[in-house]
Amino acid sequence: EAGVAQSPRYKIIEKRQSVAFWCNPISGHATLYWYQQILGQGPKLLIQFQNNGVVDDSQLPKDRFSAERLKGVDSTLKIQPAKLEDSAVYLCASSFRTVNSPLHFGNGTRLTVT
Amino acid sequence: AQTVTQSQPEMSVQEAETVTLSCTYDTSESDYYLFWYKQPPSRQMILVIRQEAYKQQNATENRFSVNFQKAAKSFSLKISDSQLGDAAMYFCAYRINSGGGADGLTFGKGTHLIIQP
Repeated sequence: EAGVAQSPRYKIIEKRQSVAFWCNPISGHATLYWYQQILGQGPKLLIQFQNNGVVDDSQLPKDRFSAERLKGVDSTLKIQPAKLEDSAVYLCASSFRTVNSPLHFGNGTRLTVT
Repeated sequence: AQTVTQSQPEMSVQEAETVTLSCTYDTSESDYYLFWYKQPPSRQMILVIRQEAYKQQNATENRFSVNFQKAAKSFSLKISDSQLGDAAMYFCAYRINSGGGADGLTFGKGTHLIIQP
């Protein structure tokens, strides 16, 4: 089966610019997660979707970050405006269902804000 | 809030030898899962092994095994017969069994494993 697809692989922007990341989960996976991984740290959950509804966005900086999952399949994560501290790898993961199903991760997008 | 602590930023082991990575966690929940993930330079998180908290038996997957001490909230990973391909960042992670609600993984800061040839 095809894995979780993410694009772009790399992105460099200046502070105060906007950026968007795209994720296509494994077919049939109802649950989708976005994680932020700052260099030298473990991934931190930003948002969890179940189909096209938000289950948990308690750690999403809502003043500048937004995410959507239209039609319950693909998802986009946007940052507007970006700050230097947003430099990180943004990982997308999906699972078939939330209980007892493993998460499958994509290769992530490395964002550099200058 | 749940926390996961990995106290070893870096570990080094000779090829073919055994190494143990440490992890402790803090939670007030009784139903949860624990994981070890491997992250090579490609950045993709790869599941190494999983442990259900209600199971007393320690999980094993080929050369990988865990020592799960629920009362002590400890979850260490043992890698036997280390191979060059095992070199990577290793993350310990916790996931609550929320019955269909919020259940994102909580990760530790990671341990960088170096394999010496």
